Amino acid sequence: QQPVQSPQAVILREGEDAVINCSSSKALYSVHWYRQKHGEAPVFLMILLKGGEQKGHDKISASFNEKKQQSSLYLTASQLSYSGTYFCGTEAFNDYKLSFGAGTTVTVRA
Amino acid sequence: ETGVTQTPRHLVMGMTNKKSLKCEQHLGHNAMYWYKQSAKKPLELMFVYNFKEQTENNSVPSRFSPECPNSSHLFLHLHTLQPEDSALYLCASSQAGTAGNEQFFGPGTRLTVL
Repeated sequence: QQPVQSPQAVILREGEDAVINCSSSKALYSVHWYRQKHGEAPVFLMILLKGGEQKGHDKISASFNEKKQQSSLYLTASQLSYSGTYFCGTEAFNDYKLSFGAGTTVTVRA
Repeated sequence: ETGVTQTPRHLVMGMTNKKSLKCEQHLGHNAMYWYKQSAKKPLELMFVYNFKEQTENNSVPSRFSPECPNSSHLFLHLHTLQPEDSALYLCASSQAGTAGNEQFFGPGTRLTVL
């Protein structure tokens, strides 16, 4: 079963922050985050393997709440280059293949 | 070439045609994947190959036939497709055998079935 992402879309001005959520009905082994720009391949951002662990990539960070089977992606002080569609991919225990959410479209404006 | 490459980038075909999509990875990975990306829908996993062996077929219709001759190459053979098969087909690769490995995606083939 695919994870649920929210919100579906968000519009930001440069410098603003945003949070994208990803939740699953299954017990998760890992959560992956990708960003895809229009007409391009999805690009790996980060992977979270342990409950409660936070990882960062420049000013983009993420957390993984294993108990709640949720992950959140934090866009801090957004830049124009952050625009794109963000996908979470989840791996469940004993089912080690990625199931992707529907994506969150982020538009950052000057 | 670096990373994951896919050819062709765009393909238009009729319902009676036979065509093939090609994917090549230059990362030394042992697992390769085919995904379908339709508008407004999540990425759908189609097939997984680990060390050239198919380990996942996600209930894909038989008009899609994958082939993995070695760990670096992956093909998707297409025949008698339907208009609803029009989508972006993405190939990806990763290290095999261990969960939690990041996947690297190719740029995709935009397929249109008339």
